[in-house]
Amino acid sequence: DIQMTQSPSSLSASVGDRVTITCQASQDISNYLNWYQQKPGKAPKLLIYDASNLGTGVPSRFSGSGSGTDFTFTISSLQPEDIATYYCQQYENLPRTFGGGTKVGIK
Amino acid sequence: QVQLQESGPGLVKPSETLSLTCTVSGGSISNYYWNWIRQSPGKGLEWIGYIYYSGRTNYNPSLKSRVTISVDTSKNQFSLKVYSVTAADTAVYYCARDAVRGVISHFDPWGQGTLVTVSS
Repeated sequence: DIQMTQSPSSLSASVGDRVTITCQASQDISNYLNWYQQKPGKAPKLLIYDASNLGTGVPSRFSGSGSGTDFTFTISSLQPEDIATYYCQQYENLPRTFGGGTKVGIK
Repeated sequence: QVQLQESGPGLVKPSETLSLTCTVSGGSISNYYWNWIRQSPGKGLEWIGYIYYSGRTNYNPSLKSRVTISVDTSKNQFSLKVYSVTAADTAVYYCARDAVRGVISHFDPWGQGTLVTVSS
């Protein structure tokens, strides 16, 4: 299985701050990498697909980059409604696997 | 737009079979991959497996020996069975569609999820 390692596991930032989360794959996954947002008690929601493409209706403050084994997810200006856990997920190989998640809070 | 809804018992006894159904509304089940994903309390996400509308399946090796996913195109539903459950199978179970017709891609949309507790 491809292991997906996210860091940090949690972070706190102020409203308006730039927030960056990294995701590292245990082998080359090209750009087959997606990012999801999960709020408490809710299902995950797609934010970014194929490493850098914004999902439908997703605000432009969210972005993704990277290819191969190293990926970055960025919130350019943190908003109160962005409080959530964020997961990366690869689909280069089966079984599809997720990162451990990054819990984002407000300072 | 397409919506997914999980249904099934919220409590299953150890060693019995967990059975869930996902009903697809607002669109056809044809030409897409359909998935089951679970999340244990306070834990991360685990992909269980997929079924293509034609019936072709693929399962996570971690669960392969205990899982069956089936599809009923006439009802626009697909189902999950997990056999011989233990407390470790307690989780919120989600169904989700692969977003792009005919290919494995990203999960979108998702169902709201249903909590299944394994306990006597």
